[in-house]
Order: sequence, then structure tokens, then C-alpha cells
Amino acid sequence: DIVMTQTPLSSPVTRGQPASISCRSSQSLVHSDGNTYLSWLQQRPGQPPRLLIYKISNRFSGVPDRFSGSGAGTDFTLKISRVEAEDVGLYFCMQDTQFPATFGGGTKVEIK
Amino acid sequence: QVQLVESGGGVVQPGRSLRLSCAASGFTFNNYGMHWVRQAPGKGLEWVAVLSYDGSNKYYADSVKGRFTISRDNSKSTLFLQMNSLRAEDTAMYYCAKDGGRNLDYWGQGTLVTVSS
Repeated sequence: DIVMTQTPLSSPVTRGQPASISCRSSQSLVHSDGNTYLSWLQQRPGQPPRLLIYKISNRFSGVPDRFSGSGAGTDFTLKISRVEAEDVGLYFCMQDTQFPATFGGGTKVEIK
Repeated sequence: QVQLVESGGGVVQPGRSLRLSCAASGFTFNNYGMHWVRQAPGKGLEWVAVLSYDGSNKYYADSVKGRFTISRDNSKSTLFLQMNSLRAEDTAMYYCAKDGGRNLDYWGQGTLVTVSS
């Protein structure tokens, strides 16, 4: 199985400041069809996960443009340009390039 | 809008069975693959199973293979997860999620399964 490693485990951020989360995969996530199936999910406290970003950098419907994704191959990053109170929660990367789909361990974003 | 509503969770003894349901609305259910994903208390996410749009292809995580069965009733827009021989380590919130093309684009609120004697 592909192992997804996220850093940091926790990210205390001042409201209005940027935050960055890293995700590294144990193998390349480039699929034979040329796409890279790396997505990012947000889980607010007490809520189910919600899709934010798919295929590295595509924002899902309704996701604010302060969220952006980048990367290639085995190294990926989620950035929040200006953290707001509603962004508090857990963030997970997920790969679905290779069966089975696997998730990173999660990064907790909190307001300082 | 897309809605996924899970039900069927509860407290069950080790070795017993439970059947989860996920009622879908707001999209053409029989056009999409569907997944189950679980989250143990205070832990991360674990993919459990996937079923193709027509029910012809199904795949499982090694941790549940041979014990869990995923199925669907497209006439009722409902996804199921039959869980047999339950173990303490199956204790988790179980989410159904819609396949968005190698991503999980919509998730239900989850149903909690607790396996305990």
C-alpha cells in the first residue's frame, strides 16, 4: 500500500496568517493515464470530512480561493493563504492513484 | 443538493453482525461508484470498500475482506455494508462517500459502530 506522510502533526496559526501542510507519498502518484490522484480533505470538529482539492490543485465546488494545492510526483502541499476561524480542524491528504486508496495521518490546524 | 444519510450503527458484541445503510439523494445514484470509509475514535481515516455504479465490481481493504460485504439497491438509491464477525478494532464512525472520479466528493454524516462485550 502507498504510505502517505503528513507534516506537521499540528499547526498553530494566527488568524489572517498563512498555513502550509505537506504530504509525501511512498511512491509516485502519477497514474498511467497521466493524472495524479492526490486530494485534500478538511474535517471540522464534529463534522464529516469534506473534499477541498482534487488532482493536486483543483478546488472543489464552493471551496474558498484561499485554499490552494500544489506539488508533483511524491511531494504535495496544501496552503491556506489567510487562516480564518472556520478553517480550524483536521486536514488529510488522500491518494487514489493506486489501490487501495490511502490517507495521510492528518494535520490539526488551530488558531493561536 | 447531494445528501448521504447513514444509519444502522450501534453497540454490538464481538463476533456478531451489523448492517449499515446509506440513503442517497440529489444525484443520479446509479451513475456513481460508492465507498465506505471509517474513522476510529480520535484516529485518522481508513478506506473500507468500494462498489461500482452497477454493483458489478467490489473491492475491500485487507482488514475487512471476507467479513464485510458491500452492496447497493439502485432502485432505492441505497448503499449497504454488511459487517459480520465484528471485532473490537472495527469500532469506528462509518461514512459512506460518493466517488467523484478517484476522489471522494461527498460524504455522509456517519454512523457509529461500537464493538464491545
